[in-house]
Amino acid sequence: GENVEQHPSTLSVQEGDSAVIKCTYSDSASNYFPWYKQELGKRPQLIIDIRSNVGEKKDQRIAVTLNKTAKHFSLHITETQPEDSAVYFCAASIQDRDDKIIFGKGTRLHILP
Amino acid sequence: GAGVSQSPSNKVTEKGKDVELRCDPISGHTALYWYRQSLGQGLEFLIYFQGNSAPDKSGLPSDRFSAERTGGSVSTLTIQRTQQEDSAVYLCASSLAGGEGYEQYFGPGTRLTVT
Repeated sequence: GENVEQHPSTLSVQEGDSAVIKCTYSDSASNYFPWYKQELGKRPQLIIDIRSNVGEKKDQRIAVTLNKTAKHFSLHITETQPEDSAVYFCAASIQDRDDKIIFGKGTRLHILP
Repeated sequence: GAGVSQSPSNKVTEKGKDVELRCDPISGHTALYWYRQSLGQGLEFLIYFQGNSAPDKSGLPSDRFSAERTGGSVSTLTIQRTQQEDSAVYLCASSLAGGEGYEQYFGPGTRLTVT
Protein backbone atom coordinates (compact mmCIF):
# COMPACT_ATOMS: atom_id res chain seq x y z
CA GLY A 1 0.00 0.00 0.00
CA GLU A 2 0.86 3.67 -0.11
CA ASN A 3 3.51 5.00 2.27
CA VAL A 4 4.13 8.70 2.88
CA GLU A 5 7.37 9.92 4.44
CA GLN A 6 7.63 13.48 5.75
CA HIS A 7 10.60 15.51 6.94
CA PRO A 8 11.80 17.26 8.92
CA SER A 9 9.84 16.24 11.99
CA THR A 10 10.61 19.62 13.58
CA LEU A 11 11.51 22.91 11.92
CA SER A 12 12.35 26.27 13.44
CA VAL A 13 12.60 29.40 11.31
CA GLN A 14 12.93 33.09 12.05
CA GLU A 15 9.83 35.14 11.53
CA GLY A 16 9.86 36.48 7.99
CA ASP A 17 11.98 33.67 6.61
CA SER A 18 10.72 30.82 4.44
CA ALA A 19 9.91 27.28 5.54
CA VAL A 20 9.96 24.16 3.39
CA ILE A 21 8.51 20.78 4.31
CA LYS A 22 9.11 17.78 2.09
CA CYS A 23 7.22 14.53 1.53
CA THR A 24 7.75 11.44 -0.56
CA TYR A 25 5.21 8.81 -1.55
CA SER A 26 5.58 5.26 -2.73
CA ASP A 27 2.63 4.51 -5.01
CA SER A 28 3.08 6.08 -8.44
CA ALA A 29 -0.71 5.90 -8.94
CA SER A 30 -1.28 8.53 -6.24
CA ASN A 31 -2.84 11.59 -7.80
CA TYR A 32 -4.08 13.81 -4.99
CA PHE A 33 -1.84 15.47 -2.39
CA PRO A 34 -3.39 17.61 0.37
CA TRP A 35 -1.69 19.47 3.20
CA TYR A 36 -3.30 19.92 6.59
CA LYS A 37 -2.43 22.33 9.39
CA GLN A 38 -3.12 21.53 13.02
CA GLU A 39 -2.78 24.33 15.52
CA LEU A 40 -2.23 23.51 19.15
CA GLY A 41 -5.34 21.97 20.67
CA LYS A 42 -7.32 22.19 17.46
CA ARG A 43 -8.37 19.82 14.72
CA PRO A 44 -6.46 19.47 11.43
CA GLN A 45 -7.68 21.66 8.60
CA LEU A 46 -6.94 21.58 4.89
CA ILE A 47 -4.76 24.50 3.80
CA ILE A 48 -3.88 23.58 0.22
CA ASP A 49 -3.93 20.62 -2.12
CA ILE A 50 -2.55 19.67 -5.49
CA ARG A 51 -3.54 17.14 -8.10
CA SER A 52 -1.14 15.23 -10.28
CA ASN A 53 -2.03 17.10 -13.44
CA VAL A 54 -0.22 20.23 -12.19
CA GLY A 55 3.30 20.82 -10.92
CA GLU A 56 2.74 23.81 -8.66
CA LYS A 57 -0.06 25.62 -6.90
CA LYS A 58 0.02 28.87 -4.92
CA ASP A 59 -2.29 30.49 -2.43
CA GLN A 60 -0.93 33.75 -1.05
CA ARG A 61 2.11 32.84 1.09
CA ILE A 62 1.69 29.10 0.63
CA ALA A 63 2.77 27.03 -2.36
CA VAL A 64 3.00 23.33 -3.10
CA THR A 65 5.18 21.71 -5.72
CA LEU A 66 4.90 18.19 -7.09
CA ASN A 67 7.53 16.10 -8.86
CA LYS A 68 5.75 12.99 -10.13
CA THR A 69 8.90 11.43 -11.54
CA ALA A 70 10.68 11.57 -8.20
CA LYS A 71 7.45 10.98 -6.26
CA HIS A 72 7.92 13.88 -3.94
CA PHE A 73 6.02 17.03 -3.09
CA SER A 74 6.78 20.01 -0.92
CA LEU A 75 5.07 22.78 1.01
CA HIS A 76 6.63 26.23 0.90
CA ILE A 77 5.62 29.00 3.28
CA THR A 78 7.10 32.44 2.59
CA GLU A 79 7.31 35.46 4.90
CA THR A 80 6.48 33.30 7.89
CA GLN A 81 4.39 34.77 10.69
CA PRO A 82 3.77 33.68 14.29
CA GLU A 83 0.39 32.23 13.34
CA ASP A 84 2.14 29.78 11.01
CA SER A 85 3.38 27.90 14.08
CA ALA A 86 1.58 24.55 13.98
CA VAL A 87 1.96 20.92 12.95
CA TYR A 88 1.71 20.34 9.21
CA PHE A 89 0.69 17.00 7.70
CA CYS A 90 1.14 15.98 4.09
CA ALA A 91 -0.97 13.22 2.57
CA ALA A 92 -1.47 11.24 -0.60
CA SER A 93 -4.34 9.33 -2.12
CA ILE A 94 -5.52 7.71 -5.32
CA GLN A 95 -8.70 9.33 -6.50
CA ASP A 96 -11.30 7.08 -8.04
CA ARG A 97 -9.67 3.92 -6.75
CA ASP A 98 -10.10 3.43 -3.01
CA ASP A 99 -9.80 7.15 -2.25
CA LYS A 100 -8.08 6.36 1.05
CA ILE A 101 -5.90 9.22 2.28
CA ILE A 102 -2.52 8.32 3.83
CA PHE A 103 -0.90 10.92 6.09
CA GLY A 104 2.75 11.61 6.80
CA LYS A 105 3.84 11.78 10.43
CA GLY A 106 3.78 15.55 10.58
CA THR A 107 6.21 18.46 10.91
CA ARG A 108 6.14 20.75 13.92
CA LEU A 109 6.92 24.26 12.67
CA HIS A 110 8.12 26.87 15.17
CA ILE A 111 8.28 30.50 14.09
CA LEU A 112 10.92 32.28 16.16
CA PRO A 113 10.46 35.98 17.02
CA GLY B 1 -23.82 24.11 8.01
CA ALA B 2 -23.10 21.59 10.72
CA GLY B 3 -19.64 20.11 10.74
CA VAL B 4 -18.43 16.75 12.00
CA SER B 5 -19.39 16.19 15.61
CA GLN B 6 -18.04 13.70 18.11
CA SER B 7 -19.18 12.61 21.52
CA PRO B 8 -18.25 12.58 24.24
CA SER B 9 -15.63 15.32 24.10
CA ASN B 10 -13.85 13.81 27.09
CA LYS B 11 -14.01 10.33 28.53
CA VAL B 12 -12.26 9.04 31.61
CA THR B 13 -12.54 5.33 32.18
CA GLU B 14 -10.98 2.70 34.34
CA LYS B 15 -8.61 0.15 32.88
CA GLY B 16 -10.49 -2.91 31.71
CA LYS B 17 -13.77 -1.13 30.97
CA ASP B 18 -15.29 -0.85 27.49
CA VAL B 19 -15.88 2.53 25.84
CA GLU B 20 -17.87 3.70 22.84
CA LEU B 21 -16.99 6.82 20.91
CA ARG B 22 -19.44 8.36 18.49
CA CYS B 23 -18.96 10.29 15.27
CA ASP B 24 -21.62 12.17 13.31
CA PRO B 25 -20.21 12.99 9.88
CA ILE B 26 -21.35 15.78 7.62
CA SER B 27 -24.59 14.78 5.94
CA GLY B 28 -24.00 13.19 2.56
CA HIS B 29 -20.33 12.44 3.10
CA THR B 30 -19.63 8.92 1.95
CA ALA B 31 -16.13 8.52 3.39
CA LEU B 32 -15.46 8.35 7.13
CA TYR B 33 -12.13 7.86 8.90
CA TRP B 34 -11.08 7.24 12.48
CA TYR B 35 -7.63 8.32 13.68
CA ARG B 36 -5.84 8.19 16.99
CA GLN B 37 -3.51 10.98 18.05
CA SER B 38 -1.33 10.65 21.12
CA LEU B 39 0.05 13.80 22.71
CA GLY B 40 2.41 15.54 20.32
CA GLN B 41 2.22 12.73 17.81
CA GLY B 42 0.87 12.27 14.30
CA LEU B 43 -2.41 10.92 12.98
CA GLU B 44 -2.51 7.16 13.41
CA PHE B 45 -4.98 5.70 10.93
CA LEU B 46 -7.44 3.24 12.48
CA ILE B 47 -10.28 2.47 10.07
CA TYR B 48 -11.86 3.80 6.87
CA PHE B 49 -15.44 3.48 5.64
CA GLN B 50 -16.26 4.31 2.04
CA GLY B 51 -19.85 4.05 0.88
CA ASN B 52 -21.08 0.47 0.78
CA SER B 53 -17.62 -1.04 0.48
CA ALA B 54 -16.18 -3.28 3.17
CA PRO B 55 -14.34 -1.08 5.68
CA ASP B 56 -10.55 -0.90 5.63
CA LYS B 57 -9.65 -2.07 9.13
CA SER B 58 -5.92 -2.33 8.51
CA GLY B 59 -5.05 0.29 11.10
CA LEU B 60 -6.84 -1.18 14.09
CA PRO B 61 -4.10 -1.92 16.65
CA SER B 62 -5.71 -4.99 18.21
CA ASP B 63 -8.90 -7.02 18.27
CA ARG B 64 -10.05 -4.92 21.23
CA PHE B 65 -10.84 -2.19 18.72
CA SER B 66 -13.85 -2.32 16.42
CA ALA B 67 -15.98 0.17 14.55
CA GLU B 68 -19.22 0.22 12.69
CA ARG B 69 -21.09 2.67 10.57
CA THR B 70 -24.85 2.37 10.55
CA GLY B 71 -26.89 3.42 7.56
CA GLY B 72 -23.88 5.04 5.97
CA SER B 73 -23.94 7.86 8.50
CA VAL B 74 -23.14 7.71 12.22
CA SER B 75 -20.13 5.68 13.27
CA THR B 76 -19.13 4.25 16.62
CA LEU B 77 -15.65 3.17 17.64
CA THR B 78 -15.62 0.62 20.44
CA ILE B 79 -12.61 -0.18 22.58
CA GLN B 80 -13.00 -3.23 24.77
CA ARG B 81 -11.02 -3.91 27.94
CA THR B 82 -9.29 -0.53 27.74
CA GLN B 83 -5.60 -0.25 28.57
CA GLN B 84 -3.62 2.79 29.65
CA GLU B 85 -1.87 2.92 26.29
CA ASP B 86 -5.27 3.54 24.69
CA SER B 87 -5.24 7.03 26.21
CA ALA B 88 -5.22 9.50 23.30
CA VAL B 89 -7.41 11.83 21.30
CA TYR B 90 -9.61 9.94 18.85
CA LEU B 91 -10.42 11.97 15.76
CA CYS B 92 -13.10 11.28 13.20
CA ALA B 93 -13.11 12.81 9.72
CA SER B 94 -15.51 12.66 6.80
CA SER B 95 -15.30 13.63 3.15
CA LEU B 96 -17.20 13.59 -0.09
CA ALA B 97 -14.81 11.10 -1.67
CA GLY B 98 -14.66 11.29 -5.40
CA GLY B 99 -14.49 14.12 -7.90
CA GLU B 100 -13.59 17.42 -6.33
CA GLY B 101 -14.78 16.58 -2.86
CA TYR B 102 -11.65 15.19 -1.25
CA GLU B 103 -11.24 17.59 1.64
CA GLN B 104 -11.40 15.79 4.96
CA TYR B 105 -13.38 17.57 7.64
CA PHE B 106 -12.27 16.63 11.10
CA GLY B 107 -14.35 16.51 14.22
CA PRO B 108 -13.19 18.06 17.50
CA GLY B 109 -12.08 14.69 18.82
CA THR B 110 -12.74 12.65 21.93
CA ARG B 111 -10.02 12.77 24.56
CA LEU B 112 -9.87 9.34 26.17
CA THR B 113 -8.07 8.87 29.46
CA VAL B 114 -7.69 5.37 30.86
CA THR B 115 -6.79 5.34 34.55
